[in-house]
Formats: sequence, C-alpha cells, structure tokens
Amino acid sequence: GAGVSQSPSNKVTEKGKDVELRCDPISGHTALYWYRQRLGQGLEFLIYFQGNSAPDKSGLPSDRFSAERTGESVSTLTIQRTQQEDSAVYLCASSPSRNRNTIYFGEGSWLTVV
Amino acid sequence: GEDVEQSLFLSVREGDSSVINCTYTDSSSTYLYWYKQEPGAGLQLLTYIFSNMDMKQDQRLTVLLNKKDKHLSLRIADTQTGDSAIYFCAEKKSGANNLFFGTGTRLTVIP
Repeated sequence: GAGVSQSPSNKVTEKGKDVELRCDPISGHTALYWYRQRLGQGLEFLIYFQGNSAPDKSGLPSDRFSAERTGESVSTLTIQRTQQEDSAVYLCASSPSRNRNTIYFGEGSWLTVV
Repeated sequence: GEDVEQSLFLSVREGDSSVINCTYTDSSSTYLYWYKQEPGAGLQLLTYIFSNMDMKQDQRLTVLLNKKDKHLSLRIADTQTGDSAIYFCAEKKSGANNLFFGTGTRLTVIP
C-alpha cells in the first residue's frame, strides 16, 4: 500500500496476556517510530528505529514493552503481561532517509485491555 | 506533551477563518509540524515549517512562526465542516529523532 499500514486495527485482550502489534512502513522508509496515544491525550514517543537498529528506546514505559524490526521493513511492538493502563492507540510512523523531517503516520492499533 | 502547549477547544462557523495556536519551549527546535486527526483515524501530516522561516502557505493553510516568542499558529481559511478534527502541533528538537507533540486542539466547525 501507499501508506503506513498497521495491524490489527482493533484488539481487545485480557489483562495479563501478551499482545503483538505490527507495522508495515512506507516502502523504502528507513526510519520507523512507535508512539502511544491514550484517550484524549497527545502522543507519547516509545521507540525509534533507523534501519534495523533502535538507537532510541527512551520512551518505552517498562520492560514489558519491546519492539523489533527486521529487514528495514516490518516492525513488531510487543507488550507482555498487559495491564489496563496499556489501553491506548499505538501509532506507527515512518520517514524516508532523504527527508527524515517528513514523518507519516499509520491509522493506529486500538488496544483495549479488559 | 508538556513542552508543547495548545488550547484544547476551538469552535468556528463554516466559512470563517480558524486560527489554532501552539507554544513550545525549545528554542533549538528545527522543524515544527501540524497534524490533523479525524475521529478514529491516524494522524495526517498537514504541513511543516523549518525554524528559519516565518511563514508558509499551502492553499487554505497558513503557518506562522514567531521564533522569538516560540509561537506557532495554523490558520485555516474558509473553514469547512470537513475540517472538524483534532489538530496537533509538534516540534522536532535539535539532535532528536522523534517529535514532541502537544495535547491537540479539537476544532469544531458549526454549519
């Protein structure tokens, strides 16, 4: 597709279960970002990938959160032992290496922990 | 979001101009952005401005940057009902890879 694609678009999970959220960036975009948006709030930065490496993980809120990226393409954000406060929209974004100042977002994965 | 501040709500009548304001704290910010978020959707990049510019215009959108006061505004001319959304201001700080977002301004356009 032409844009950043995320899946699932909606996920309801029980407290304590693990979830995986997937992001397919725009083809050729080397930089990839994960953000979290809680209901009625702005975006919190989670992690940044340049290629396959993650030079900035400063936003990950706890060790229950991890992310990986393979082949300068798909990224997976994993949340282990989910808690109710993890309920949020998880947004992925990407940007091209030739202009890292243009950052494009996907539509997000809505996670509800019950 | 505490570094970037926006008012929470703005209502305008259809056809009027809307002005959404934002203040930021880092004078070394290099780029400033406006994103639009419609209900249930992701963020759409509307426009961005480099910090050495004062103004950028793109069709109905005008961005004004007052670097001295660290104030950014987005003016939407001839506002339409389809412009109803949440508008986020964001800054890219010098040396940073990610963006810092405000809490968003919910624009309501009254027919």
